[in-house]
Amino acid sequence: NAGVTQTPKFRVLKTGQSMTLLCAQDMNHEYMYWYRQDPGMGLRLIHYSVGEGTTAKGEVPDGYNVSRLKKQNFLLGLESAAPSQTSVYFCASSRSGRVVADTQYFGPGTRLTVL
Amino acid sequence: AQKITQTQPGMFVQEKEAVTLDCTYDTSDPSYGLFWYKQPSSGEMIFLIYQGSYDQQNATEGRYSLNFQKARKSANLVISASQLGDSAMYFCAMSYNDMRFGAGTRLTVKP
Repeated sequence: NAGVTQTPKFRVLKTGQSMTLLCAQDMNHEYMYWYRQDPGMGLRLIHYSVGEGTTAKGEVPDGYNVSRLKKQNFLLGLESAAPSQTSVYFCASSRSGRVVADTQYFGPGTRLTVL
Repeated sequence: AQKITQTQPGMFVQEKEAVTLDCTYDTSDPSYGLFWYKQPSSGEMIFLIYQGSYDQQNATEGRYSLNFQKARKSANLVISASQLGDSAMYFCAMSYNDMRFGAGTRLTVKP
């Protein structure tokens, strides 16, 4: 099993450009998450999904959109990138709806730079 | 609102000694989970240990144990017999409807 994979690993954008980050998991997990990690800080939740076709806002959702058309994939979109969105983006998944009990498994991260 | 606080930006420990990394949290919800993750310099997030708010006993996983004091709202990570490979960032996190992370503690193990 590959676990949680993220595409791409690195990306450089110019201000105003758009892009989509792809997260895929092969563990049949229901819950999926997108986080951002800024230098010297912990992870902050952007959006999450509790199942196929559902999405919900996290702590810092502004400037991002997400979609979960298939259970195994969770896409994070930036419609008009800004320098403030320069960060490392992590995707994670967990088994079921009992978030308090289920460990999240993380992808390797995507380093995004917006010039 | 949930809040996680890690007050130690950096910690040093001698190899083979034990070290405690502090974590306090704030929530009004009775049901929540507490997690510790390790992030080595390579960047991946590695799950270490979990404690449920209703668990009666402190969680342990090998050299890791979680000192859970519910009344004080603290969930400190104890690493016994530190190894050089333990040098990393350590994050405390709390889940209810979503997950909130602390700012992290950078642990350096000295030979």
